[in-house]
Amino acid sequence: GAVVSQHPSWVICKSGTSVKIECRSLDFQATTMFWYRQFPKQSLMLMATSNEGSKATYEQGVEKDKFLINHASLTLSTLTVTSAHPEDSSFYICSARGLQIGGAGGNTIYFGEGSWLTVV
Amino acid sequence: SQQGEEDPQALSIQEGENATMNCSYKTSINNLQWYRQNSGRGLVHLILIRSNEREKHSGRLRVTLDTSKKSSSLLITASRAADTASYFCATDPAGGTSYGKLTFGQGTILTVHP
Repeated sequence: GAVVSQHPSWVICKSGTSVKIECRSLDFQATTMFWYRQFPKQSLMLMATSNEGSKATYEQGVEKDKFLINHASLTLSTLTVTSAHPEDSSFYICSARGLQIGGAGGNTIYFGEGSWLTVV
Repeated sequence: SQQGEEDPQALSIQEGENATMNCSYKTSINNLQWYRQNSGRGLVHLILIRSNEREKHSGRLRVTLDTSKKSSSLLITASRAADTASYFCATDPAGGTSYGKLTFGQGTILTVHP
């Protein structure tokens, strides 16, 4: 089946630095990717919608200058947390929407494995 | 985005018992999906039910959908200790351009005791 890979799975960074998380669709073209954030013991909250070749659409309350999203190709979207602070520590997970190569067709959603970010 | 409601927030049962989780939502949907999440891990897609469906089965899972009440339920029969996890419902909004832009419920933490 289709696979969405996130990297890194775990990252620890110092306060004030930036960290990049990649979301890659491995066997299909993802026209749209979604980025979610999940704080411990809470649900997933949509942060932004990333469309290939255009600017991301951010949900209300999400700072676009802090969470930079780039979707430069049909298989890769990146989320960069800039000037990270301890309160940015969270589980970040992406999902991808697209047509699976050789599949039955139709839009399907696939989630990555998630990335744990700890800012110290 | 608004979050749906799930109840109970936590459920503790013995192996072999059935577990029922409920989800309510607020907007028109294209489909509703249930996911499982083990502690600290990613999401596992369990089942998708479309807005024109009322019930769906997959192995030990049974999902119902009542669009008039904007609610869904997930039943896990003959539970196992390995079913211990958090369970989330997620709604996919009606309207083609938003397909896949999921709104998640608060989740139910299920603990199955051996």
